[in-house]
Amino acid sequence: DGGITQSPKYLFRKEGQNVTLSCEQNLNHDAMYWYRQDPGQGLRLIYYSQIVNDFQKGDIAEGYSVSREKKESFPLTVTSAQKNPTAFYLCASSPGTGGVAGRTGKYNEQFFGPGTRLTVL
Amino acid sequence: AQKVTQAQTEISVVEKEDVTLDCVYETRDTTYYLFWYKQPPSGELVFLIRRNSFDEQNEISGRYSWNFQKSTSSFNFTITASQVVDSAVYFCALSFLYTGNQFYFGTGTSLTVIP
Repeated sequence: DGGITQSPKYLFRKEGQNVTLSCEQNLNHDAMYWYRQDPGQGLRLIYYSQIVNDFQKGDIAEGYSVSREKKESFPLTVTSAQKNPTAFYLCASSPGTGGVAGRTGKYNEQFFGPGTRLTVL
Repeated sequence: AQKVTQAQTEISVVEKEDVTLDCVYETRDTTYYLFWYKQPPSGELVFLIRRNSFDEQNEISGRYSWNFQKSTSSFNFTITASQVVDSAVYFCALSFLYTGNQFYFGTGTSLTVIP
């Protein structure tokens, strides 16, 4: 089945450690996104990538890094510089935004993975 | 500035009651897209509906209906005859193609349907 997978589902990290969250999609989508969700808050964008080997910072990129070496993969690294990393992390993808379909919004729906819950011990 | 406001933090209803979730957005752009997503306890966001700014036609899908009014910048979501399975957090979101399809999410409304 096509979809987005995130691993692991639960992740525990000691202070000062870097950790990498995996996100893989087999939907052949061009764009991928990482969001952070804290209790009682909406989703906040960390990074996004519209094409392979290119990505842009979102609203809360500090303390995070990403790579987009393959179309289907968009891993997120939470570095030790992130002061409060405990949160629920969601990865999403969307087909693209170009052409006629882009103007109608048909291709800009975002599909989400099941999420990774990161806890700093 | 782009912003989505979901003023209702938590709502509780008794099963079979109707419930409306409010969403108010702010933007100066004339072309934009509005979405509703459902987040059940499992955590994964489930797409419910997309609406383009130039299409104000309301939509009904089973027990779900959406009322889009550009005059009041609102995109409200109504569940008719609510069921326990409707219990979830519901998010409204706003996006624009020129920002790389970045989504602006509201803070969500937690709906609890009591049996």
